[in-house]
Amino acid sequence: DTAVSQTPKYLVTQMGNDKSIKCEQNLGHDTMYWYKQDSKKFLKIMFSYNNKELIINETVPNRFSPKSPDKAHLNLHINSLELGDSAVYFCASSPPGLNTGELFFGEGSRLTVL
Amino acid sequence: GDSVTQMEGPVTLSEEAFLTINCTYTATGYPSLFWYVQYPGEGLQLLLKATKADDKGSNKGFEATYRKETTSFHLEKGSVQVSDSAVYFCALEETSGSRLTFGEGTQLTVNP
Repeated sequence: DTAVSQTPKYLVTQMGNDKSIKCEQNLGHDTMYWYKQDSKKFLKIMFSYNNKELIINETVPNRFSPKSPDKAHLNLHINSLELGDSAVYFCASSPPGLNTGELFFGEGSRLTVL
Repeated sequence: GDSVTQMEGPVTLSEEAFLTINCTYTATGYPSLFWYVQYPGEGLQLLLKATKADDKGSNKGFEATYRKETTSFHLEKGSVQVSDSAVYFCALEETSGSRLTFGEGTQLTVNP
């Protein structure tokens, strides 16, 4: 069983469209994250949820809206897509406890905006 | 704020060569330090970690020592293999434990 699974793996869409990426983890973790990886492989945190509560919200446009229906799921909805949104988006989860530092990543969702 | 700086890539080596990827950090307090690896088409995986000064993390032949005096956590491997080709990320976790900060990543290619 995949520990952290994301769908879809690939997404190609036009500018101005709205799209969602779903993430589920079966590890029983309380904390989940969304990271954005650009074409140069730079990885930047976008959001973090702990037990369905938003705890990290970096400087991300309002067009990006995370939703956590339960602690095993964290979905990312993007409105009015722009060319600059093209990237690989990674979902991750982590076990409880300070300084464990171990994130479990999904395989990523490659978003291409045309 | 906290930050991590890695040596610029890409790095290309021949099989069995010695590998060093430099990583330095800036942090308040006493962060924990990590190396993650991303194989092609996959998400990141934890490779090794060290939680306090002078700790050495090791896994799969890779090692890194937490050097507080030089604020460094360089990754080393004595003899690389083709299968080690990947992107390597250095990261730190703030003392508060709320988030990981990643370096820019270093692409390693090992040729047979």
